[in-house]
Amino acid sequence: GAGVSQSPSNKVTEKGKDVELRCDPISGHTALYWYRQRLGQGLEFLIYFQGNSAPDKSGLPSDRFSAERTGESVSTLTIQRTQQEDSAVYLCASSLMSGNTEAFFGQGTRLTVV
Amino acid sequence: KNQVEQSPQSLIILEGKNCTLQCNYTVSPFSNLRWYKQDTGRGPVSLTIMTFSENTKSNGRYTATLDADTKQSSLHITASQLSDSASYICVVRGQAGTALIFGKGTTLSVSS
Repeated sequence: GAGVSQSPSNKVTEKGKDVELRCDPISGHTALYWYRQRLGQGLEFLIYFQGNSAPDKSGLPSDRFSAERTGESVSTLTIQRTQQEDSAVYLCASSLMSGNTEAFFGQGTRLTVV
Repeated sequence: KNQVEQSPQSLIILEGKNCTLQCNYTVSPFSNLRWYKQDTGRGPVSLTIMTFSENTKSNGRYTATLDADTKQSSLHITASQLSDSASYICVVRGQAGTALIFGKGTTLSVSS
């Protein structure tokens, strides 16, 4: 596609339920990033993919969070047993691995845990 | 550890005033630095890129500077407008093949 696509754009879920967030990066972009942005706060790094591997998953806040990427393309971020503090906008970005290329961001998924 | 620190965390200014946002990094080796603007409810969009050999670059009312020796960059906004209200994120690329390092951003509010 022309840009990074994230789905759903909005998700309201009940506390304790599992959710899956999807990111479709720009075709050919090897690098993929997941970030979280709580209301009024800055970007919080979650995980970085290089191809299908995740060399840096240091930002995942707990073992309830996991992510995978397949075919060097689509990535899913799964949050199990959601808590109210998981409410945030989850942003995905993709880029090439080198050069002066920029990272392109999706519009984000706004997750609300009630 | 490669890090990017931005300051201030948030800033409120009156319309028409100037402001400067700071970005300090420890990423080494350094390839380039980008400033992104994130409007409310949207994903960040690139404003400008600074490479190692560049000291200053302007994009309209936005001027970015880079001091690669002290590992500091600034984004200066002149004659601010209400539409400048946004988060500004500094992103640094190290050597080829490594992950981009993102700052947490500065939230700018321009009021009338």
